[in-house]
Amino acid sequence: SAVISQKPSRDICQRGTSLTIQCQVDSQVTMMFWYRQQPGQSLTLIATANQGSEATYESGFVIDKFPISRPNLTFSTLTVSNMSPEDSSIYLCSVGVGVYGYTFGSGTRLTVV
Amino acid sequence: QQQVKQSPQSLIVQKGGISIINCAYENTAFDYFPWYQQFPGKGPALLIAIRPDVSEKKEGRFTISFNKSAKQFSLHIMDSQPGDSATYFCAASGQNFVFGPGTRLSVLP
Repeated sequence: SAVISQKPSRDICQRGTSLTIQCQVDSQVTMMFWYRQQPGQSLTLIATANQGSEATYESGFVIDKFPISRPNLTFSTLTVSNMSPEDSSIYLCSVGVGVYGYTFGSGTRLTVV
Repeated sequence: QQQVKQSPQSLIVQKGGISIINCAYENTAFDYFPWYQQFPGKGPALLIAIRPDVSEKKEGRFTISFNKSAKQFSLHIMDSQPGDSATYFCAASGQNFVFGPGTRLSVLP
């Protein structure tokens, strides 16, 4: 299965600032996914990022708040913009193996103060 | 219809016991049912998965039982060990990928 490197692993940020999270995969993949996991909760899909096209956002998530880049088949970034304490969560990058298999990065634990 | 329900929310089992986690779904378009294991500070890792054309799949101490007519599936962990203490998520995949709310398992030594 694919190996995902995600940076940073954790950060503490001031409200109103932005943080960019990087996701690097060791193989070329068509689809990359960004999830949010709030404390003690399940995973919620933020958006799907395909190389060469605009990311597709799930209901409740917008591009202005969570801009995503996908410059090539092995890399993607998620930016959390104009952060507030409600954005404190774990953000996870995931890649799909075919249609069914999903591998996750170790996540970025974000705390907004 | 896109929800996956999961129970119990938390589970405490003695070492050597059997841990059972149950999930239910509504959308009959789902055709792949994985289970993920997540340790604190880590991303979820695929544990075992099943497709609806089989009723059971076993990998080591982990078994998925699948009941297509009831739209339910469950994870059984035999001979549970303290190292199994983690949060377990069931999921269902079709056109969309949906996670259950998770079960926090604690295995007492």
